[in-house]
Amino acid sequence: GAGVSQTPSNKVTEKGKYVELRCDPISGHTALYWYRQSLGQGPEFLIYFQGTGAADDSGLPNDRFFAVRPEGSVSTLKIQRTERGDSAVYLCASSLLGGDYGYTFGSGTRLTVV
Amino acid sequence: AQTVTQSQPEMSVQEAETVTLSCTYDTSESDYYLFWYKQPPSRQMILVIRQEAYKQQNATENRFSVNFQKAAKSFSLKISDSQLGDAAMYFCAYKINKLVFGAGTILRVKS
Repeated sequence: GAGVSQTPSNKVTEKGKYVELRCDPISGHTALYWYRQSLGQGPEFLIYFQGTGAADDSGLPNDRFFAVRPEGSVSTLKIQRTERGDSAVYLCASSLLGGDYGYTFGSGTRLTVV
Repeated sequence: AQTVTQSQPEMSVQEAETVTLSCTYDTSESDYYLFWYKQPPSRQMILVIRQEAYKQQNATENRFSVNFQKAAKSFSLKISDSQLGDAAMYFCAYKINKLVFGAGTILRVKS
């Protein structure tokens, strides 16, 4: 597509529920990144895919967070047993190769856990 | 640890005037990239300007320019002839293996 698409735009879920956030990167971009942005803060790195494999998942906060990119295109970020502290904007970005020219970001999914 | 510090939580500028946003970073690497991103209320991060650390010449993109001081690990953004549309959150970031962001500076533009 023309840009990075993230769905849903907003998600409200109850504490303890499971959620999936989807990211559709720019066609041809081999690298895909997930970031989490809390209110008033800068984005924090979660995980980075190069193709289908996770090249760096050092930012995932705990084992409730998991992400996949099975065909090297669309990625899904999965959060189990959501907690109120998971409330944030989840940003996805993609880039050619290593991203030395910067990443292209989507508009994010605002997750609210009530 | 690799960190990016933006010491100004908020800045204001009069329309048509110039403003400078500060950024410092900490890394032991010599080869990296630096970026400024703009985030309007739509949430989408927009690339403003990019600098390669091995280049001494400061990057310029129309009204946006940087002052890159490698020894001081400083990377400030200058916005000339400020416009109402420049109002947004601005993030400084550097990249070795992945983008690392600062906490951001809110820029307000007064008419």
